[in-house]
Amino acid sequence: QQQVKQSPQSLIVQKGGISIINCAYENTAFDYFPWYQQFPGKGPALLIAIRPDVSEKKEGRFTISFNKSAKQFSLHIMDSQPGDSATYFCAASMLDSSYKLIFGSGTRLLVRP
Amino acid sequence: DAGVIQSPRHEVTEMGQEVTLRCKPISGHDYLFWYRQTMMRGLELLIYFNNNVPIDDSGMPEDRFSAKMPNASFSTLKIQPSEPRDSAVYFCATQTSANNEQFFGPGTRLTVL
Repeated sequence: QQQVKQSPQSLIVQKGGISIINCAYENTAFDYFPWYQQFPGKGPALLIAIRPDVSEKKEGRFTISFNKSAKQFSLHIMDSQPGDSATYFCAASMLDSSYKLIFGSGTRLLVRP
Repeated sequence: DAGVIQSPRHEVTEMGQEVTLRCKPISGHDYLFWYRQTMMRGLELLIYFNNNVPIDDSGMPEDRFSAKMPNASFSTLKIQPSEPRDSAVYFCATQTSANNEQFFGPGTRLTVL
């Protein structure tokens, strides 16, 4: 019940296209859902995050869509660029009890020029 | 601020040797997390500290692993004795209780021969 399932494992998108990565969770006590971006040889870095009281959050070309009833959330990258090529991790935590993050398995995104 | 500092960046050792990984958190951050990243298991939380006190060590794989945080500016993760299956990238991450963002260090790539 602590798992966060992420798909797809890898994704290839043309420059200018939309990249979509999906995550699903079971534990309804989760109340914080961040996405982290990791470039090769670097540590993950927070990209965008959402709380369950909203259904969508947008920051520039990056949007999180959140469906509380389905226990699913997704990351949309609009106008994908080669510089977006990285591994993306969704995560979940229960902020009321701890800051412990449960990470998804990651999606390797390649944006072709 | 220099961010989270980890050392060494790369470590190659032989099976049975003791390995010590080091982390210097961002000044003022009162939470510190140790993660392990492998292709097979993704990003796993090993242990985390709050105000230098271990809060949750349920992710520590076995007694060969130990972690300490003697003060607010230093933490170690020790593996003794090391085994080839411990080969992974180990990340330290820190955050403040006033903000949900975890800041990751550059990681230590450990290879146990």
